[in-house]
Amino acid sequence: GAGVSQSPSNKVTEKGKDVELRCDPISGHTALYWYRQSLGQGLEFLIYFQGNSAPDKSGLPSDRFSAERTGGSVSTLTIQRTQQEDSAVYLCASSFSVYIQYFGAGTRLSVL
Amino acid sequence: QQQVKQSPQSLIVQKGGIPIINCAYENTAFDYFPWYQQFPGKGPALLIAIRPDVSEKKEGRFTISFNKSAKQFSLHIMDSQPGDSATYFCAASRGSARQLTFGSGTQLTVLP
Repeated sequence: GAGVSQSPSNKVTEKGKDVELRCDPISGHTALYWYRQSLGQGLEFLIYFQGNSAPDKSGLPSDRFSAERTGGSVSTLTIQRTQQEDSAVYLCASSFSVYIQYFGAGTRLSVL
Repeated sequence: QQQVKQSPQSLIVQKGGIPIINCAYENTAFDYFPWYQQFPGKGPALLIAIRPDVSEKKEGRFTISFNKSAKQFSLHIMDSQPGDSATYFCAASRGSARQLTFGSGTQLTVLP
């Protein structure tokens, strides 16, 4: 595809349920990032994958959050036992160069 | 700890005006300072970026001014248009870390 693709675009879940959010990066991009954007706030870094290196998980807010990247391409962000404070837009970005990140449109997660 | 502080939170200008958005950072290890533009329902898109070895960079109607000693940088939009109405985020990153630290965003409205 031409850009970063995220699915689903919207997700409504009940408190305590697990959710999986998917990101398809731009083909050939070696780096992949997850960010969280809460209402009216800036973007908060969650996790970063670069090639086959161990991911940088320093931004994950709790052990309920995890992510994996299969085959150096598609990534899945999993939130276990969702809480209302997890409600946000989850954005994925990918990059080839050191600095330029291209963002997807995000997944809007609502935890009821 | 908010490492990049952005102001103002919102800004309204008339068409043709020159909105200015300011950011200040704390971490002197930051070496890349991009600005992102985000329209409702879309992911952020890179607008313009600067490295600390220059004091100004201009691309079309968008200019970044950078003051290394003050640890501040700003975005100026010349001859603003209603189509520039969006949320603008400043950000910063450092070398190998690559993940972006974002400001809290400025919602710009350009009146026709």
